[in-house]
Amino acid sequence: EAGVAQSPRYKIIEKRQSVAFWCNPISGHATLYWYQQILGQGPKLLIQFQNNGVVDDSQLPKDRFSAERLKGVDSTLKIQPAKLEDSAVYLCASSPIASGANVLTFGAGSRLTVL
Amino acid sequence: QKEVEQNSGPLSVPEGAIASLNCTYSDRGSQSFFWYRQYSGKSPELIMFIYSNGDKEDGRFTAQLNKASQYVSLLIRDSQPSDSATYLCAVTYYGSYIPTFGRGTSLIVHP
Repeated sequence: EAGVAQSPRYKIIEKRQSVAFWCNPISGHATLYWYQQILGQGPKLLIQFQNNGVVDDSQLPKDRFSAERLKGVDSTLKIQPAKLEDSAVYLCASSPIASGANVLTFGAGSRLTVL
Repeated sequence: QKEVEQNSGPLSVPEGAIASLNCTYSDRGSQSFFWYRQYSGKSPELIMFIYSNGDKEDGRFTAQLNKASQYVSLLIRDSQPSDSATYLCAVTYYGSYIPTFGRGTSLIVHP
């Protein structure tokens, strides 16, 4: 089966600019996650979708970050305006359905550098 | 605030040795425990997971849970240089299936 697709792989922007990342999960996976991984740290959840509904966005900085999954399939994460501290890898992951055995499959990630 | 703690390392072991990686968690309402491996510049990939009711062995890898002390271990037997990576521990809690990750432990297996 095809894996989790993400684009772009790399993006360099200046602070205060905007950027958008796209993710297409594994076909049939109802649950989609966006994680932020800063260098030397573990992934930190930004938002979880179940189909096209938001389950948890408590750690999403809503003044600058937004995410949507309109048709319950692919998703877009946007940052506007970007800050220096947003430099990180943005990982998209999916799982069949949230359960106790919630195994995530990650995409390759989108590396953002904010100058 | 549910937390997952890992020593960042690096943990350095010789080839063929047993590598022991540990992870502590803060909430006793923990349901499942996951170990992911992340090579430099790559995304995490699952090694194995266990539920709160027992240990598990899969090839050279064994995951062990100590509920009383609230830590989970990953043992890698016959370590190989190809095992050199960062190992991320993740925990899910009853009522929420969202994995919370630790910062990861860097493992170096030297020939």
